[in-house]
Amino acid sequence: EDKVVQSPLSLVVHEGDTVTLNCSYEVTNFRSLLWYKQEKKAPTFLFMLTSSGIEKKSGRLSSILDKKELFSILNITATQTGDSAIYLCATVNSGGYQKVTFGTGTKLQVIP
Amino acid sequence: DTAVSQTPKYLVTQMGNDKSIKCEQNLGHDTMYWYKQDSKKFLKIMFSYNNKELIINETVPNRFSPKSPDKAHLNLHINSLELGDSAVYFCASSQGRLWGQRVFFGPGTRLTVL
Repeated sequence: EDKVVQSPLSLVVHEGDTVTLNCSYEVTNFRSLLWYKQEKKAPTFLFMLTSSGIEKKSGRLSSILDKKELFSILNITATQTGDSAIYLCATVNSGGYQKVTFGTGTKLQVIP
Repeated sequence: DTAVSQTPKYLVTQMGNDKSIKCEQNLGHDTMYWYKQDSKKFLKIMFSYNNKELIINETVPNRFSPKSPDKAHLNLHINSLELGDSAVYFCASSQGRLWGQRVFFGPGTRLTVL
């Protein structure tokens, strides 16, 4: 069975801190890895990673994938209270039809 | 324009009732999903349809029956609702294997079973 594990499950930091969220996976026919941010409503897309070692950046957020060690990290620098959310990692496989498997999420709380 | 829409947004009902949630996407995607997010915020896939054909059916009670009248719609019907069905249900879509795998989510339907 495909498995996606995120750590830590929850995290509380102060504004200005840097955080690293982890996602490890065991998936057959791995194709890509997705990061989402979920606040009060539906998850919103952050990154899609397909190749190892290529960092994707968007403002203070960045992410990288290691397909050999089967994990990805999401970094957030200079955190702000608006970064408080659940961060979801998901894998996509390519066996036949697309299947997307989500991890349990990391709940991040940024306090002033 | 909303890419993936769901109705209703909130649904409060009694145990034993039957209810439906509707989902529509206007992105031209060929794959649609239903996910259930429980109180612990774990997002778990329930069903996946590709071009109106069921391709993934996870371990979901057969009280849940998806219906896809066309590839832009995937509705979820639930019979004999139970307390444990209370959750947020997200519909989602993606282009499938040809064009990348970004998944677009609907706003969610919060179901409360009393």
